[in-house]
Amino acid sequence: NAGVMQNPRHLVRRRGQEARLRCSPMKGHSHVYWYRQLPEEGLKFMVYLQKENIIDESGMPKERFSAEFPKEGPSILRIQQVVRGDSAAYFCASSPAGGRYEQYFGPGTRLTVT
Amino acid sequence: EDKVVQSPLSLVVHEGDTVTLNCSYEVTNFRSLLWYKQEKKAPTFLFMLTSSGIEKKSGRLSSILDKKELFSILNITATQTGDSAIYLCAVEAGTGSNYQLIWGAGTKLIIKP
Repeated sequence: NAGVMQNPRHLVRRRGQEARLRCSPMKGHSHVYWYRQLPEEGLKFMVYLQKENIIDESGMPKERFSAEFPKEGPSILRIQQVVRGDSAAYFCASSPAGGRYEQYFGPGTRLTVT
Repeated sequence: EDKVVQSPLSLVVHEGDTVTLNCSYEVTNFRSLLWYKQEKKAPTFLFMLTSSGIEKKSGRLSSILDKKELFSILNITATQTGDSAIYLCAVEAGTGSNYQLIWGAGTKLIIKP
């Protein structure tokens, strides 16, 4: 049973470009969470999704960021018109259900904006 | 505002020592507290605690929750260099399907040989 997969592992974008980060949850998991980790800071919750549904996006910046988890395929975190401050590690986690289930994390995507 | 505070922020000890990491929290509608170990990449799950006073153990690691005083500790005995990592505490808070994890900043633990 493969774990949570994220790709790419490293992504370099110039300011103003778009970044697309992909997350494939563990088999059997229908809940996906995205987190951002800035240098010297803890993980910050961004968004919680189920298939075709955004459950909680209270941690998402109001502009330029969006997320989806379609019926088929991976969850996508999309950042439009990236700025230097978007440089961070973005982690995806999945769980079999919401509530009292531990989340399993993917290896992360390190985004560098030049 | 919900918050989770970990202490110390960093800790350096020698192999064989015992360490205690602290996590205190102030949240509305507490559900559970989780400990993760983060090495180079993604955090790996250690423990989930929901009830006060019940110790969870895994090898040399153990953890306990005090819901009255709003804190948890993570103990590591007979530390090894492989225990060097950032230890993250997160609290799950909310009601029904409206919940989220609030993360502490982590404790950076360095074990010297």
